[in-house]
Formats: sequence, structure tokens, C-alpha cells
Amino acid sequence: DVKVTQSSRYLVKRTGEKVFLECVQDMDHENMFWYRQDPGLGLRLIYFSYDVKMKEKGDIPEGYSVSREKKERFSLILESASTNQTSMYLCASSSQRGLQPQHFGDGTRLSIL
Amino acid sequence: SQQGEEDPQALSIQEGENATMNCSYKTSINNLQWYRQNSGRGLVHLILIRSNEREKHSGRLRVTLDTSKKSSSLLITASRAADTASYFCATDAGSARQLTFGSGTQLTVLP
Repeated sequence: DVKVTQSSRYLVKRTGEKVFLECVQDMDHENMFWYRQDPGLGLRLIYFSYDVKMKEKGDIPEGYSVSREKKERFSLILESASTNQTSMYLCASSSQRGLQPQHFGDGTRLSIL
Repeated sequence: SQQGEEDPQALSIQEGENATMNCSYKTSINNLQWYRQNSGRGLVHLILIRSNEREKHSGRLRVTLDTSKKSSSLLITASRAADTASYFCATDAGSARQLTFGSGTQLTVLP
């Protein structure tokens, strides 16, 4: 069965900290995505990656960076956390073959104090 | 940018009734997908409809697509309490690997 695992379900950090959110998929998918989800705004794409060491900006990349050193792992980095980055973060992956749906992890609820 | 907009934002029905959710989008699409999200969990893919299809069924789900009106609907028949969740439409345009999600419909099915 398809599995996308996010390292933490809940995370509390302080303003100014560097925060790492990790995501691992076991499906050999080429594509990986990071979204944030806020009430009333749906899911907004932060960054995505089509291949190892490749990254593309999504709709709201400011304040974030990503790393994809291995095909199965996609990390989201908050360089200097701010309170407006308190949110639910969702990782997803998909195959490049044909019209494939995205498979999601259970999310990380991040609070920045 | 937000492509899809779901309507209504919230829907409350009795078990056994049908639930209909609508999605409107702005630009031409390759396909439209519906996802479900239980509270505090990730999204789960339900069904995909291609731009050249008008209707698709999967179990108790029926999806329609009207590209002339840039709209789609998701019908859940004979709803159950376990169908309580948020439902999102997602569209892809241009690159088939990115999706743009709407803000979702919160469905509550009362037992």
C-alpha cells in the first residue's frame, strides 16, 4: 500500500528558529510536493520537486526552502520561523506516469510561538 | 493561485440522504480530481475525471464535469456518518503534475 510519512504530527517551535519538516515516500514516486493548509484557504503549494536535487517554487515559497537529496525524501525548511507560518503542512507524492493522483501524508501541525 | 471554488462551504445532512458538492474553476483543465480529508488527517484521492469525460462513477460517488461552464459536481448517494469529512476538488492545467486545490466543502452526516 502507498505510504507517505511525515516525521511529526505536531510540532511547537519558537520565532526565529530554523525548522525542518521531513517527508518520506515508499512508492518510488518522482514528484513530491509541500502544501500548507489554512482554514478557508484550502491547500496552497509551497514547493515541489520532479526529481532528485530539483525544486520548483509553488504559489507561496517566501520564507521556505526545500531539499531533495534522495528520491524518497523531501524536506521543507523554515529558515527563520515566524508566527504567520503556524499552519498545517502536508506532503504529497505522485508518479509521473500518466494521470496519477497525489498521495498525502497525515500532515504536521506546526505552531510557532 | 486558487483555481477551484467549492460550494457550499458547509453542508449538513441526515444519514441516508444524498450529498451534492459543486466546484467551479477558472481556466481550461486537463483533468479534475476530488479528494476527501478526515479531520486531522491527510487528503485521500477519490476520483479523477478527464476533461473529455462528462460523468464518472465509483461506488456511491458520481462526478460530473461541464467544461463549458467550468464546473464539476460530486454526488455521494445514501450517505453514512462515516462520510463526514471535508471534500476538495483539484484541477491541473498545463503541467499534469501540479494540482490547484479549492477551499473545500465540510460535509457533516448526522446519524
